[in-house]
Amino acid sequence: EAQVTQNPRYLITVTGKKLTVTCSQNMNHEYMSWYRQDPGLGLRQIYYSMNVEVTDKGDVPEGYKVSRKEKRNFPLILESPSPNQTSLYFCASRLTGANVLTFGAGSRLTVL
Amino acid sequence: KNQVEQSPQSLIILEGKNCTLQCNYTVSPFSNLRWYKQDTGRGPVSLTIMTFSENTKSNRRYTATLDADTKQSSLHITASQLSDSASYICVVSLTSGTYKYIFGTGTRLKVLA
Repeated sequence: EAQVTQNPRYLITVTGKKLTVTCSQNMNHEYMSWYRQDPGLGLRQIYYSMNVEVTDKGDVPEGYKVSRKEKRNFPLILESPSPNQTSLYFCASRLTGANVLTFGAGSRLTVL
Repeated sequence: KNQVEQSPQSLIILEGKNCTLQCNYTVSPFSNLRWYKQDTGRGPVSLTIMTFSENTKSNRRYTATLDADTKQSSLHITASQLSDSASYICVVSLTSGTYKYIFGTGTRLKVLA
């Protein structure tokens, strides 16, 4: 089944403890991106990648890092999480030239 | 500033009734507009896409309209079902190639039996 898989789906952590949210897609999509969704706000883009080894900042990149060493994987790294990074995170992918995004199921992160 | 505004924020209707969700945008340069459905606890899933030249497009019980002059789109749901309960998100893409999407905050629809 064509899909975007995120892990973990739920995570509670403490301030300053590094964590990684993984994202993997099996559709051979070139483009991948990370979003956060907060109440009352639309999805906001954190980082995106147009292909392997090509990444760029979105609208809210502060406090996050990404890497794209393989086409299928695009992990989101929080080096030193803070409570304001408590949010629902979505990974998405698409083919270059296509418009529709395929989203993962989301990862709910709570930073205490 | 590129913005997408949706109304109402939330809506409750009875099963079998129709409803219309609104999306106003100030995005330039405009490429296309897409409606997504987001079930609770799931990622958004595309319902339909509207390009600059399209006025109306239907997908089963969903009909989307686009008025490029007034920069408004609507999503009409006919004969609502309990499974229509979800958030509906309007997403506008800037001119293709920039990989930029502007997301609305969504309309939360609740369909009651």
